[in-house]
Parts: sequence; C-alpha cells; structure tokens
Amino acid sequence: AQSVTQLDSQVPVFEEAPVELRCNYSSSVSVYLFWYVQYPNQGLQLLLKYLSGSTLVESINGFEAEFNKSQTSFHLRKPSVHISDTAEYFCAVSDPGGGNKLTFGTGTQLKVEL
Amino acid sequence: EAGVAQSPRYKIIEKRQSVAFWCNPISGHATLYWYQQILGQGPKLLIQFQNNGVVDDSQLPKDRFSAERLKGVDSTLKIQPAKLEDSAVYLCASSLGLQQPQHFGDGTRLSIL
Repeated sequence: AQSVTQLDSQVPVFEEAPVELRCNYSSSVSVYLFWYVQYPNQGLQLLLKYLSGSTLVESINGFEAEFNKSQTSFHLRKPSVHISDTAEYFCAVSDPGGGNKLTFGTGTQLKVEL
Repeated sequence: EAGVAQSPRYKIIEKRQSVAFWCNPISGHATLYWYQQILGQGPKLLIQFQNNGVVDDSQLPKDRFSAERLKGVDSTLKIQPAKLEDSAVYLCASSLGLQQPQHFGDGTRLSIL
C-alpha cells in the first residue's frame, strides 16, 4: 500500500518570497510522483511529474520539485511566488505497475499575501 | 481540445434520496476515473474504467454507490440512498490510457441535508 504525507496544511508567504511545500511518501515499490494544483471551485491541474530520469523536474510557471529516494520525499519549491499562486497543492503517488491509480496527500493551502 | 465535462456543478439533496452525476471525458481517452474529495482531504479513487470495463472499484461502497460506462465514453455515478457522510466533491478524470497523465473536470459539489 502507498501513502502520502503533506505535513503542512497551510503555508502563508509574502509575494516574491520563496516557498517550499513538503511531501513525503511511503511505498514498498518504485513510484511515480506528481504535484497537482487546485484553484477554488475547479478540478485538479497537473503541475509536474516525476516518472524516471533526472530527479529534478520543473513546471512551465517556475515551480520545481526534486525526487529524493533516500528521504522518500518530493518537495515542491518556487524561488519567488506571485499572488496568482494562491491555491491548494496536492502531492500524489502511483505505482508504475498498478494501473495508474493515484494516491493523494491531504493537500497544502498556499496563501500568498502582499 | 475540450476538457472533461461534468454535470451538475452543484447538487443538494436530503439523506436517503438518490442522486446521479454525469461525466464526459476528453475525446479519445480510454481510461476514466471517479474520485471523491471530502472537505479537507485529498481525492480518493472510487472507480476506474478502461473503455467500458472496470479496472479498480476496491474503494467504491457498493451497497450504495454504482457507476457505469456503457459505451466506453461518458459515465454516470449514482448514490442510492445518500448518507450525510457522502457530502463531498465528486471529480471525474480521464487519460489516454494507463500510465498517461490524468485530466480532471471541475467536479460536482454534493451537499446532503
């Protein structure tokens, strides 16, 4: 069985400051890792994913995440946030041999303030 | 391309009533998923279809929930009878196939009175 832990339920940060949203996972097999973003009253949008290869993955809007197998982590970072980044962020894992089922964490609410 | 379409966006019913949700996936997407997202939690997979066959329904409460995807395209999820704990957002997602990224609809917010 797989599980995802997002320890921070809320992260307040000022605009243009850096931010890190933490994600740790537990799995007995190798995993695929994902970050999704959810804006109010909308569905989830894929932000970035790690399937294999380079452990550092980047999104088109400045976010990046690094897969750390020894620490079973996949933290999300952005060096300078904008007001528009205010949203809920979900970390998720899937088993490459498990039919694409996603197991999500409980989410982190990122609130960017002026 | 058009995204995943879901209806209705909002539904309010009383406990013990029945309710149905509809999902139309992205054209050509063979895999369809229904998730339940309870307030303050991450989405939880209820059922996954590959074309019109069920791949995984291990977390579907089968005594009250049912889902179908008869022609391998759109899908309906039904709850009968509804309980208070079914209050949640029901998200539909689709992907080209297994191991492909999932695309989510905006969800149906269900409130049980």
